Amino acid sequence: SAVISQKPSRDICQRGTSLTIQCQVDSQVTMMFWYRQQPGQSLTLIATANQGSEATYESGFVIDKFPISRPNLTFSTLTVSNMSPEDSSIYLCSVEYQGTGPNSPLHFGNGTRLTVT
Amino acid sequence: GENVEQHPSTLSVQEGDSAVIKCTYSDSASNYFPWYKQELGKGPQLIIDIRSNVGEKKDQRIAVTLNKTAKHFSLHITETQPEDSAVYFCAASKPNQGGKLIFGQGTELSVKP
Repeated sequence: SAVISQKPSRDICQRGTSLTIQCQVDSQVTMMFWYRQQPGQSLTLIATANQGSEATYESGFVIDKFPISRPNLTFSTLTVSNMSPEDSSIYLCSVEYQGTGPNSPLHFGNGTRLTVT
Repeated sequence: GENVEQHPSTLSVQEGDSAVIKCTYSDSASNYFPWYKQELGKGPQLIIDIRSNVGEKKDQRIAVTLNKTAKHFSLHITETQPEDSAVYFCAASKPNQGGKLIFGQGTELSVKP
């Protein structure tokens, strides 16, 4: 499986500021995904990041709030903009592992634990 | 859209006993069902998955069963060990949407030595 590294692993930020989270994968992958896990809750897909095109956002998430970059096949960033305490969550980068079958298993990094004060 | 319900939310078992976690899904078009284990401070780790053309899959102490008619699937852990303690998530996705997983609410499993 791919090795996924996220930076920072955690941060405490002031409201109104922005934080950029980096995701580095040790192999080239076509699609990268950003998920959010609110405290004690399940995971929700924010957006899909494809290399060379704009990210595709899920309902409830907008580019102005969560801009994403995907400059190459091994790297992506997610920015959480103009943060409020409600943005306190774990943000997770994930990639598809090219296994067999029409749906490839999804592998996750260890996440970025964000607290907004 | 797809909705995945997971039960129970917490589960406590004695070491050596079996643990069963159940999930139901709403969209009959879903065809891929992975299970993840999340330990404290870590990201979810894929432990087993099943596709809709298979009714059961086993990997050592872990097994997953799928009932397409009833739209539910279950995780079975036998001979539980303290290191199995974690939060377990089920998920579902539709064809060609492998990256878009709809997750259940999670089950916190505690295995008491």
